[in-house]
Amino acid sequence: GQQLNQSPQSMFIQEGEDVSMNCTSSSIFNTWLWYKQDPGEGPVLLIALYKAGELTSNGRLTAQFGITRKDSFLNISASIPSDVGIYFCAGHPSGGSEKLVFGKGTKLTVNP
Amino acid sequence: NAGVMQNPRHLVRRRGQEARLRCSPMKGHSHVYWYRQLPEEGLKFMVYLQKENIIDESGMPKERFSAEFPKEGPSILRIQQVVRGDSAAYFCASRRRGDTEAFFGQGTRLTVV
Repeated sequence: GQQLNQSPQSMFIQEGEDVSMNCTSSSIFNTWLWYKQDPGEGPVLLIALYKAGELTSNGRLTAQFGITRKDSFLNISASIPSDVGIYFCAGHPSGGSEKLVFGKGTKLTVNP
Repeated sequence: NAGVMQNPRHLVRRRGQEARLRCSPMKGHSHVYWYRQLPEEGLKFMVYLQKENIIDESGMPKERFSAEFPKEGPSILRIQQVVRGDSAAYFCASRRRGDTEAFFGQGTRLTVV
């Protein structure tokens, strides 16, 4: 089946540092979505990407849809303590039933 | 606009009982996904439904689990004869037909005792 490999699994950074995480797949995806989940809450959509090569920003967040359609990355610039949480990539596989497949998440810890 | 509403937020069931989890999608959304999440783990796809149709149930256990999304009313995830291993957070997400963005509810935390 379609699998998303998300890395790193966890990151420990200092406030003010930049962060980068990525997601790869062996199969092609039509759409990439990035979510953030706070403890005890549901995932919140951060950025949606619709076509290969697309680069989209949302405040300090920037995400790109890889040219091969098999990968995506998320960057967070100048991290702040409230960036703490788990970040998930997700996507709609090409030729699938439109089910939304998730990576296993990157747990981000920001030290003030 | 109200977001995706899930209830109850917390549900405690004894082994062998039935659990019914409800998900009211956002207004105008006709597609619903259900996911299961164990502590410190990712979101595992269970089922994808449109109104009155199950589109993809490849992630649903073959026994005891069922889902529906009727023409009127919320989507229901039903777990019969619950066991301790069913304890998890269950999330639903909805999207509008033709859109790709899916929005999540706050989840139902099921505890089987």
